[in-house]
Amino acid sequence: EDQVTQSPEALRLQEGESSSLNCSYTVSGLRGLFWYRQDPGKGPEFLFTLYSAGEEKEKERLKATLTKKESFLHITAPKPEDSATYLCAASFQGGSEKLVFGKGTKLTVNP
Amino acid sequence: EAEVAQSPRYKITEKSQAVAFWCDPISGHATLYWYRQILGQGPELLVQFQDESVVDDSQLPKDRFSAERLKGVDSTLKIQPAELGDSAMYLCASSFLGLAGDEQYFGPGTRLTVT
Repeated sequence: EDQVTQSPEALRLQEGESSSLNCSYTVSGLRGLFWYRQDPGKGPEFLFTLYSAGEEKEKERLKATLTKKESFLHITAPKPEDSATYLCAASFQGGSEKLVFGKGTKLTVNP
Repeated sequence: EAEVAQSPRYKITEKSQAVAFWCDPISGHATLYWYRQILGQGPELLVQFQDESVVDDSQLPKDRFSAERLKGVDSTLKIQPAELGDSAMYLCASSFLGLAGDEQYFGPGTRLTVT
């Protein structure tokens, strides 16, 4: 069964304290690995798509990387406004083009 | 910047009542998705449309849920009758072609509470 698992479930950081979020996947024939940010009571906001192992993408303080089994979202020198839930999702060959989501990592950055 | 529109943003209904949600995707996007997100979980796909045709409704509880996209643009998701377990966030998303690997853009969601 295709699955996406995120860890940790929750992470508390001090402002400026860099860290990484993990997304491991067991999908047959990965077509794309997606990262979204979701603020409370709002819809997910698209951040990145990664397509192949070794690929990296950056946006401000965020950097996403992909290996054959997992993806990392690195947060460098986070600010309180980076507090949100970060969702990872995968699309895969053989089925419809639906996204399989993980449960998310709730990030809190304290000033 | 183009956005996915949804209404209403919040809905409170009693169990056994009917409820409907509306979604207008980004202009030009052929593929429209309805997801359900339970608090603390990731979104789960309910139904996917390619233009006006249903591509995937395998997770849609068809005894009480229905969805349509008559002209291949906006869409309506209906629940009749609502049950307590239907309380969740209902999210609409759209993508340009709906190919695996295409980015999906989400609307703000409708928060449904069934009492």
